[in-house]
Amino acid sequence: NAGVTQTPKFQVLKTGQSMTLQCAQDMNHEYMSWYRQDPGMGLRLIHYSVGAGITDQGEVPNGYNVSRSTTEDFPLRLLSAAPSQTSVYFCASTGTGGYNEQFFGPGTRLTVL
Amino acid sequence: EDQVTQSPEALRLQEGESSSLNCSYTVSGLRGLFWYRQDPGKGPEFLFTLYSAGEEKEKERLKATLTKKESFLHITAPKPEDSATYLCAVSSSNTGKLIFGQGTTLQVKP
Repeated sequence: NAGVTQTPKFQVLKTGQSMTLQCAQDMNHEYMSWYRQDPGMGLRLIHYSVGAGITDQGEVPNGYNVSRSTTEDFPLRLLSAAPSQTSVYFCASTGTGGYNEQFFGPGTRLTVL
Repeated sequence: EDQVTQSPEALRLQEGESSSLNCSYTVSGLRGLFWYRQDPGKGPEFLFTLYSAGEEKEKERLKATLTKKESFLHITAPKPEDSATYLCAVSSSNTGKLIFGQGTTLQVKP
């Protein structure tokens, strides 16, 4: 099993550009989520999904969109990148309703100029 | 409001010098408390889940304990390879979402 994979590993954008961060898991997990990690702020939940076709907002959803068309994939879209979205983004997945330990991907380091 | 606070922010130990990391929490119905380890440039790696006050779990030099208000991660005779950031998170039975603390960065010097 590859676990949770994320692409790209690094990305530089200009303000106003859009892009999609990819996340995939091969563990047949129902629950997937996106976090951002900023110095001194810890991990903050952006969006999450409890299954294919179902998504919901987390703590900091503004400026991001998600969709869940399959169990395996959970892409995160930045509609119009802003410098405030410079961060490290982590995707995570877990089974059994999201109450158990989450497995994290390696992260995407995004810089918005 | 669900909240997690970790202390200290940073901790420097000599190899073999035991210590503890603290995680204080307020949550509306604790579903679980989680400890993760994060190495620089990598994603968090799961260590422990604790579900009820009085519960303890051990893994090598690490031992996690839980009370109704806080959790401790005890590190016994640490080695340089234990150097990492340790994250604490709680899951609320109301929302199921994970709320993370800011982490404690541990450095163990040989």
